[in-house]
Amino acid sequence: EAGVAQSPRYKIIEKRQSVAFWCNPISGHATLYWYQQILGQGPKLLIQFQNNGVVDDSQLPKDRFSAERLKGVDSTLKIQPAKLEDSAVYLCASRQGQGSTDTQYFGPGTRLTVL
Amino acid sequence: AQSVAQPEDQVNVAEGNPLTVKCTYSVSGNPYLFWYVQYPNRGLQFLLKYITGDNLVKGSYGFEAEFNKSQTSFHLKKPSALVSDSALYFCAVRDRGNTDKLIFGTGTRLQVFP
Repeated sequence: EAGVAQSPRYKIIEKRQSVAFWCNPISGHATLYWYQQILGQGPKLLIQFQNNGVVDDSQLPKDRFSAERLKGVDSTLKIQPAKLEDSAVYLCASRQGQGSTDTQYFGPGTRLTVL
Repeated sequence: AQSVAQPEDQVNVAEGNPLTVKCTYSVSGNPYLFWYVQYPNRGLQFLLKYITGDNLVKGSYGFEAEFNKSQTSFHLKKPSALVSDSALYFCAVRDRGNTDKLIFGTGTRLQVFP
């Protein structure tokens, strides 16, 4: 079974530039998450989708971050404009159903460096 | 609010010795607890989870974890460490609010010496 795919793996940009990350979840997984992992910390949820609807985006800095999952499969996360503090690894995860015991499976992440 | 704590930034152990990586939690109600491992430049890999039932949970790569409700702990263990086990380990609890997001600890770096 293929895992969660993410691209690019690495991205370096200057502050105030924009950047986009892509995620393809495990086939058939209805729930998709974007987490931000700052160096030395555990991942923190940015946004959760159930199919193509947003379940939780309370921790998403909406003045600069946006995310979509238009067809309920792939998702993109965008930052515009980027700040130095956005330097982090952005992890995408997916889960099959709505069962509370289901496991979240993570992709390899995109490491973003903002200069 | 739900939270987990990993009191040790780093754990050092000699190859072949048993290892323990500690995790304590604070949740309301019954906790759903998880352990993930992160190798350099890779995402999080699921190791094991506790939902209900037997307090000793067995997972991938020979790891197991013991759920202790009275001590609110969920320590990760392995009887005999391998050098290849060296990685960053995260304990997490599932949020019991409107979402099922995972709330992670700050991670513990495990270093296994040959």
